[in-house]
Amino acid sequence: KQEVTQIPAALSVPEGENLVLNCSFTDSAIYNLQWFRQDPGKGLTSLLLIQSSQREQTSGRLNASLDKSSGRSTLYIAASQPGDSATYLCAPEAGGGADGLTFGKGTHLIIQP
Amino acid sequence: ETGVTQTPRHLVMGMTNKKSLKCEQHLGHNAMYWYKQSAKKPLELMFVYNFKEQTENNSVPSRFSPECPNSSHLFLHLHTLQPEDSALYLCASSQGGTSNEQFFGPGTRLTVL
Repeated sequence: KQEVTQIPAALSVPEGENLVLNCSFTDSAIYNLQWFRQDPGKGLTSLLLIQSSQREQTSGRLNASLDKSSGRSTLYIAASQPGDSATYLCAPEAGGGADGLTFGKGTHLIIQP
Repeated sequence: ETGVTQTPRHLVMGMTNKKSLKCEQHLGHNAMYWYKQSAKKPLELMFVYNFKEQTENNSVPSRFSPECPNSSHLFLHLHTLQPEDSALYLCASSQGGTSNEQFFGPGTRLTVL
């Protein structure tokens, strides 16, 4: 059974800092991995999807990397802003086609103005 | 309407009630999912439908009954729930295939009294 761990569980930093959020998963036989953000009481917003054949994906100030063989992914946030405050979730997908995602507990991020 | 919508957004029900949650996706996707998010627990996959066929039931109690009449609509029928079923219920959809990015709705906040 896939298990996902995210470190740190919580992080509070002043704005402007560059951040790295870590995600590890126990079963490296994944099809892809998706990063989301969740604002309090809301649904999930997809940030990036990395396919298993890729090493990284970039979108604006966000960069996600994937080391499938070691079961790790990182989300890099450049020049953090207060609007980045949210819970960040990583979720690997086991199979191809239409499989459900396995989630960790997330990293709760607060960016101080 | 765009993206994935869910109704109602909030629901309070007694343990003997019967209610239904509705999800609709406007993205032309083929797969739909139900997830449960309880306090202090990771998001848990409940059901997967691919081309209207249920492809995964993640050991969900029978008091939760999904229905997928077509690729755009997904329901979750609820009956004789327990207080521990109180949670945020999230619906998602995806295209399936090689780039199976999942898109989530805003969720239904369910409280069982």
